[in-house]
Amino acid sequence: GNSVTQMEGPVTLSEEAFLTINCTYTATGYPSLFWYVQYPGEGLQLLLKATKADDKGSNKGFEATYRKETTSFHLEKGSVQVSDSAVYFCALSDDNAGNMLTFGGGTRLMVKP
Amino acid sequence: KAGVTQTPRYLIKTRGQQVTLSCSPISGHRSVSWYQQTPGQGLQFLFEYFSETQRNKGNFPGRFSGRQFSNSRSEMNVSTLELGDSALYLCASSLDVWTGDGYTFGSGTRLTVV
Repeated sequence: GNSVTQMEGPVTLSEEAFLTINCTYTATGYPSLFWYVQYPGEGLQLLLKATKADDKGSNKGFEATYRKETTSFHLEKGSVQVSDSAVYFCALSDDNAGNMLTFGGGTRLMVKP
Repeated sequence: KAGVTQTPRYLIKTRGQQVTLSCSPISGHRSVSWYQQTPGQGLQFLFEYFSETQRNKGNFPGRFSGRQFSNSRSEMNVSTLELGDSALYLCASSLDVWTGDGYTFGSGTRLTVV
């Protein structure tokens, strides 16, 4: 079956530091990959996505590249802000499972001023 | 345009009771999925509906059920509530069955079972 593994948190960074959150996956089909962000007390917001190998998703300074050879989709940001503090979820869906998303366990990011 | 609307936002129920949660998808979206989020199990898929038909179902007991109406609004029901059903229940909608464009989530209904 499908699975997503992401680094455990919390990740604590100072403002303007470089961020990497690792995500690796196992899928039976040809998955699309997503990063979602969850702010306290809210639902999930789609941050970025990539639908095929070597695609790079980007949004709000965040980037992730779909690496089929390493089955990875690591999230990066060059300079984090306090407002980026949230929980980040890596997820996949594949063409064998329609709309069903398989999520990683989430990584809490805390950015200190 | 309006996002995914879930009602109620918070709910407290007693063990053994039943509960119904509601989700209104984004206008024009025909697919609605439900997820359960708990600290221990994380985010788990419950079920997905499209055109009033259940397309996929996660690994949850039969106490968890759902339905979708002709206007795409969806409800999920949990009967004979257990303490372990306490969770944030998230609804997500998408335009069609498979677009790869990602899914828009609501803010969730936080259910507490006492």
